[in-house]
Amino acid sequence: QITLKESGPTLVKPTQTLTLTCTFSGFSLSTSAVGVGWIRQPPGKTLEWLALIYWDDDKRYSPSLESRLTITKGTSKNQVVLTMTNMDPVDTATYYCAHLTHYGNTGGNLDYWGQGTLVTVSS
Amino acid sequence: QSALTQPASVSGSPGQSITISCTGTSSDIGAYNYVCWYQQYPGKAPKLILYDVNNRPSGLSNRFSGSKSGNTASLTISGLQAEDEADYYCSSFRRGDTLVFGTGTKVTVL
Repeated sequence: QITLKESGPTLVKPTQTLTLTCTFSGFSLSTSAVGVGWIRQPPGKTLEWLALIYWDDDKRYSPSLESRLTITKGTSKNQVVLTMTNMDPVDTATYYCAHLTHYGNTGGNLDYWGQGTLVTVSS
Repeated sequence: QSALTQPASVSGSPGQSITISCTGTSSDIGAYNYVCWYQQYPGKAPKLILYDVNNRPSGLSNRFSGSKSGNTASLTISGLQAEDEADYYCSSFRRGDTLVFGTGTKVTVL
């Protein structure tokens, strides 16, 4: 059974750096064709993809946020960490991590999601 | 990066069929058959209901089906039920191996 859970601060101040951890079970990020993605959703708004990390440590970022994002495998083998610099109130959102099943040269689906964690950016 | 375009809302009566469109470009929907659809209830995480345009995860209702023509993908819900009232999002991979979501559609069962 695949499960994922996001953790991190619920409140950050403007200009601070946000660090979120995705702790997962039921799969290994060392297994071929597996990835973990981060997605966010501001209150009442649409989903926005942020970043992906693959089993082979390949990484992809949203072009509009790439300069602020870093995705890495955690020190524990069952964790993925996302950092976002220079936080702003518009970054207030629920942040989700999700398991990606990858296939083809470019393809995959986010088939298991965490419950999400609400991050508020305010002074 | 610009999101895929979906209608803001679609409604239907129980038992009817509804279709939600998802319009992209030749760099995403038009380039790959990797369109996914997600269902999201208020306060809950999204749930994958279709992948690769028209494939259902194991155990998902066959009332959900998908198609694609050119740069537009579609989700059809047949035999509409009260439990189908939710938000629906499409997604696609885009050239450069990035991912993009749709603007979302609120489905109302009348």
